[in-house]
Amino acid sequence: EVHLVESGGGLVKPGGSLRLSCAASGFIFSSYSMIWVRQAPGKGLEWVSSISRSGDYIYYADSVRGRFTVSRDNAKNSQYLLMNSLTAEDTAVYYCAREGFHTPDPYDYWGQGTLVTVSS
Amino acid sequence: EIVLTQSPGTLSLSPGERATLSCRASQSVSSSYFAWYQQKPGQAPRLLIYAASSRATGIPDRFSGSGSGTDFTLTISRLEPEDFAVYYCQQYGSSPKTFGQGTKVEI
Repeated sequence: EVHLVESGGGLVKPGGSLRLSCAASGFIFSSYSMIWVRQAPGKGLEWVSSISRSGDYIYYADSVRGRFTVSRDNAKNSQYLLMNSLTAEDTAVYYCAREGFHTPDPYDYWGQGTLVTVSS
Repeated sequence: EIVLTQSPGTLSLSPGERATLSCRASQSVSSSYFAWYQQKPGQAPRLLIYAASSRATGIPDRFSGSGSGTDFTLTISRLEPEDFAVYYCQQYGSSPKTFGQGTKVEI
């Protein structure tokens, strides 16, 4: 069974940094592109980043480009999101998701999310 | 960026009724790259429909998707109590892979 478990969320001050992790199990991690999607409180879904199977291709939303860095470690079945220069607008639940096997594909499995709160 | 606009914002219906949700794109989207997700309070989104009309694994056949070009529809033929949730459309053929703002289906 596919499982995605996010960790690393919490309260951080504006301008601070945080590193999110997503641990995957139940599938061949290195065969799938991985995604981060966020959801601000009471708001809709916003795609944040995508990383290809080998990590060679990386894409970011304009709202986070230059501040966020996504990476993956296929040996550890994990992806990461390093978030720098955080602002209140980055406050959200951050979901790790798997893109289906045939890129581009929809996001067929999602973690439960980790809450990031940016506040002084 | 392709903007997806969902309507209505809220749909108030009763169990057993039919729900019709719409999603309009600001430019043409390949139907091969259009999806619908369901999200219940406190839960992660769940993939319902992909390629505009194909049901994801385990999704009941009361859920159906249709459409092409700029207009797409999600239909729930007979609402079950567990179907009351927020529904999001997504296009995943062009970057950035955008979502609609959501339609809440409430009792």
